[in-house]
Amino acid sequence: DTEVTQTPKHLVMGMTNKKSLKCEQHMGHRAMYWYKQKAKKPPELMFVYSYEKLSINESVPSRFSPECPNSSLLNLHLHALQPEDSALYLCASSQDFRALHNEQFFGPGTRLTVL
Amino acid sequence: GQQLNQSPQSMFIQEGEDVSMNCTSSSIFNTWLWYKQEPGEGPVLLIALYKAGELTSNGRLTAQFGITRKDSFLNISASIPSDVGIYFCAGNAGNNRKLIWGLGTSLAVNP
Repeated sequence: DTEVTQTPKHLVMGMTNKKSLKCEQHMGHRAMYWYKQKAKKPPELMFVYSYEKLSINESVPSRFSPECPNSSLLNLHLHALQPEDSALYLCASSQDFRALHNEQFFGPGTRLTVL
Repeated sequence: GQQLNQSPQSMFIQEGEDVSMNCTSSSIFNTWLWYKQEPGEGPVLLIALYKAGELTSNGRLTAQFGITRKDSFLNISASIPSDVGIYFCAGNAGNNRKLIWGLGTSLAVNP
């Protein structure tokens, strides 16, 4: 299995809602990532988990809360989002964030719209 | 944050033409990656490069890791309509470093 899966594919939420994005990989990778992507721009790193521990938080607002329940799963909990948070949210994984070579594989993304 | 210089920004070509795009950096990288992204989908890894001077092919795609370790190019030969998308380069210095991205090359192919 060489796939990263993400659910849901699309999500519409109000500014007072709480929702979660989910990501799963079964490649045995020990690094997982959350990215945010605006239209026609490159992905922007939000969080990195390495061996199930939060390794990088790119100064992301606390209304985004990541969680790594085990080595295959990554969640992103959303609460009190703003309309400007509407974007494509991408999950990625790689063999080992500490490695010299670190190719990342991406999921299909969740298209989030905040009303 | 740091970004790579990727050019051209966009290309509009006729089916059957060859395409070339490149990325340059002020930093040395240990890995160069080329991704393709179609609308509404995640980036798909096309080619990964690990050694200076390395030339790697994937079907009609060829990419090279520059000798200085500060640049890379991607060529697409005999383009077809399904090559349409945004192509991103990304570089990585390894050892707990995050990927650094180019701004993308948007490719349109006229059948």
